[in-house]
Amino acid sequence: GEDVEQSLFLSVREGDSSVINCTYTDSSSTYLYWYKQEPGAGLQLLTYIFSNMDMKQDQRLTVLLNKKDKHLSLRIADTQTGDSAIYFCAETTGVDSSYKLIFGSGTRLLVRP
Amino acid sequence: GAVVSQHPSRVICKSGTSVKIECRSLDFQATTMFWYRQFPKKSLMLMATSNEGSKATYEQGVEKDKFLINHASLTLSTLTVTSAHPEDSSFYICSVTSGVGQPQHFGDGTRLSIL
Repeated sequence: GEDVEQSLFLSVREGDSSVINCTYTDSSSTYLYWYKQEPGAGLQLLTYIFSNMDMKQDQRLTVLLNKKDKHLSLRIADTQTGDSAIYFCAETTGVDSSYKLIFGSGTRLLVRP
Repeated sequence: GAVVSQHPSRVICKSGTSVKIECRSLDFQATTMFWYRQFPKKSLMLMATSNEGSKATYEQGVEKDKFLINHASLTLSTLTVTSAHPEDSSFYICSVTSGVGQPQHFGDGTRLSIL
């Protein structure tokens, strides 16, 4: 079945770049998303990429997609303490009427001052 | 601004009580909304897809008589946890989407605690 995997934890120093990785198994994935969740809150959409794209940049965020290896990454430049949160990668095939998202387990990012 | 409004943000009630959670789409009409459950330090688990004007589609293992979903208008879906018990305590989150290929936008979640 479909599966999305992420590493559980990442710790970086403030000002450094963070790279959060995600792998997925469904080759028919059409959309891939990155969400951020702060403690006790819902999910905030950060960015998303369509499967025919290789890269998308939005201010400090850069998403890279390697469709051949089914690998997605999120790079956060100049990481700040406010970036500390859990980051979820998610994918959907968009082929059924419900457009269900398949989530990874989440990567907890800790930014050290 | 917020795309989704979810209320209440926190509920504490006694075992046996039924609890209703509302999810409103603020920016667009949403024919499809989703309800998720999240356990501590875990990812989101899709419970059901709420379809405006028709029955919800429940995921395997989710009791439809326990978790009643009503999507009576294009901007409002409700989840009612009936006769709640301590094992129903969790973080419930809704999401909305404007359509094909568009991302899901999430509410701020409801923390339900059953004593």
